[in-house]
Amino acid sequence: DVKVTQSSRYLVKRTGEKVFLECVQDMDHENMFWYRQDPGLGLRLIYFSYDVKMKEKGDIPEGYSVSREKKERFSLILESASTNQTSMYLCASSSGRVYNSPLHFGNGTRLTVT
Amino acid sequence: AQSVTQPDIHITVSEGASLELRCNYSYGATPYLFWYVQSPGQGLQLLLKYFSGDTLVQGIKGFEAEFKRSQSSFNLRKPSVHWSDAAEYFCAVGGGFGNEKLTFGTGTRLTIIP
Repeated sequence: DVKVTQSSRYLVKRTGEKVFLECVQDMDHENMFWYRQDPGLGLRLIYFSYDVKMKEKGDIPEGYSVSREKKERFSLILESASTNQTSMYLCASSSGRVYNSPLHFGNGTRLTVT
Repeated sequence: AQSVTQPDIHITVSEGASLELRCNYSYGATPYLFWYVQSPGQGLQLLLKYFSGDTLVQGIKGFEAEFKRSQSSFNLRKPSVHWSDAAEYFCAVGGGFGNEKLTFGTGTRLTIIP
């Protein structure tokens, strides 16, 4: 089974801090994604990556950046955390194109910014 | 732009009753459609997907969905729900080659009563 592991289940940070959310997948998947999940808004795509050192903006990239130095690891970075970034963050990976490969999700990181 | 509407925020059904969750999509070409389920405290898991061919697709856990192009719908059904089906369900639409964004709906929370 594919395993997508997010390093923290819960995280509390202060406004202005730099925050790193880590995600690791163990199936040699090409593609990795970061979503945020908010009540009433569903899942919204922040960034995704097709390959090492490649990244593409999703629908809501503002205030975020990403890093993919190794194929199995995809990090989401909040350069200066703000309270409106309090959310559930979900990492996912897939082996191929979105239209023929299911996304495999981690269990999420619930981030609170105070 | 692609979009998904799930008009029901919360649905309650009795165990053993039938279920239908609604999903309407907007997409300019042939859509690729998905249903994902999120159990409490978990990431999302793919239930089923439609790419082409037979408009009635079967998924895991006894779920099925029917693609109706004329109604821009992809409703999820199950003939008899089990208490373990209590979860949040997300419909998603993605494009074909060159469009890697998977757009999710806002979700429908399903409660099962004895």
